[in-house]
Amino acid sequence: GAGVSQTPSNKVTEKGKYVELRCDPISGHTALYWYRQSLGQGPEFLIYFQGTGAADDSGLPNDRFFAVRPEGSVSTLKIQRTERGDSAVYLCASSTTLAGGHSPTYSTDTQYFGPGTRLTVL
Amino acid sequence: GIQVEQSPPDLILQEGANSTLRCNFSDSVNNLQWFHQNPWGQLINLFYIPSGTKQNGRLSATTVATERYSLLYISSSQTTDSGVYFCAVERGWGTDKLIFGTGTRLQVFP
Repeated sequence: GAGVSQTPSNKVTEKGKYVELRCDPISGHTALYWYRQSLGQGPEFLIYFQGTGAADDSGLPNDRFFAVRPEGSVSTLKIQRTERGDSAVYLCASSTTLAGGHSPTYSTDTQYFGPGTRLTVL
Repeated sequence: GIQVEQSPPDLILQEGANSTLRCNFSDSVNNLQWFHQNPWGQLINLFYIPSGTKQNGRLSATTVATERYSLLYISSSQTTDSGVYFCAVERGWGTDKLIFGTGTRLQVFP
């Protein structure tokens, strides 16, 4: 597609429920990122995939959060036992990878963001 | 960790005015991006500018990496420029996450 797409655009759930958020990156982009943006704040990093593997998951707040990218394209962010504090806009971004080789000898290019999923936990 | 601070936090302009937004970062970075977040929440890429100067229409940006700051210039502002402007930095090889600044909220009135 032309850009990064995310579904659903809005998700309302009850405390304690499980949710899945989906990201479709720009075709051919090997790097995929998830960020979370709370009201009035800048986005905060959650997890970064290079291909199918999570290269950096240091931003995941706790073990209720998990993300997968099984075929190196679409990614799903999964949140178990949701809490009211999880309410935020979840943003996905993708980018190409510069140079060849494996980490740490590569770097990534401009990150392009999707429209986000607004999650509300009641 | 690295700190990214932007100034001013808020800016109100009349259409046609010029403005300069500043981004300071506390450590060396590999890359820097400027974004505009429109009132609908979409983050739009403005510049990918780890160093030097770039121009795109009414917007231009300069990053002085050795002095750890970047500037975004908006000339002849329009109401559609309203929104929040973020700079974001990337630390380096293998650590490709973006660390966002605090943002500058711009309102342009006709």
